[in-house]
Amino acid sequence: QVQLVQSGAEVKKPGSSVKVSCKASGGSFSSYDITWVRQAPGQGLEWMGRIIPILGTTNYAQKFQGRVTITADKSTSTAFMELSSLRSEDTAVYYCVRANDVVVPAALGIWGQGTLITVSS
Amino acid sequence: DIQMTQSPSSLSASVGDTVTISCRASQGISNYFAWFQQKPGKAPKSLIYAASSLQSGVPSRFTGSGSGTDFTLTISSLQPEDFATYYCQQYYDYPWTFGQGTRVEIK
Repeated sequence: QVQLVQSGAEVKKPGSSVKVSCKASGGSFSSYDITWVRQAPGQGLEWMGRIIPILGTTNYAQKFQGRVTITADKSTSTAFMELSSLRSEDTAVYYCVRANDVVVPAALGIWGQGTLITVSS
Repeated sequence: DIQMTQSPSSLSASVGDTVTISCRASQGISNYFAWFQQKPGKAPKSLIYAASSLQSGVPSRFTGSGSGTDFTLTISSLQPEDFATYYCQQYYDYPWTFGQGTRVEIK
């Protein structure tokens, strides 16, 4: 059974960048969509973007265009989400999610444990 | 963007009850639709995809239905572990969007 293990919590200053990793183990990685979703404290879920590692193709939410970059390293089965120009409103738990099928579009399947990013001066 | 509207925003129910949560999309999304369960402090869990297909390991008391713009999640014989927040989501078009959530509380 595939598992996604994300990097640990971080505290960042406004204006800085953060890069969160998501390592897959126990299953296939490259052919499946990896999506990033965030959740601000006490709020709902927000889709940020996705990547198909084997193709390197990405799609981003317009809201984050220019600030978010999603990449993947097939050799280590790891996906990354980098968010720049951080502001306090970016304080949230960030989740990576692997699709449950290789077809496109595929539903979200396995979730990582989440990474809390706190933006504070 | 496609708007997903869930109702109700919260409900109270007892163990053994049957509960129904609705979700409406602002435009047709065929069956590119999913449901998730989230417990406090935990990552969401995928329950249903393609509107009515159960993810592996999800109990059969969870039933999804609908197509187009109107969808329903039914939980039969509510169990203590089912008290959580439920989210709907469309994956028909980018940006993928979620409903605002429905909190299922113990009566």
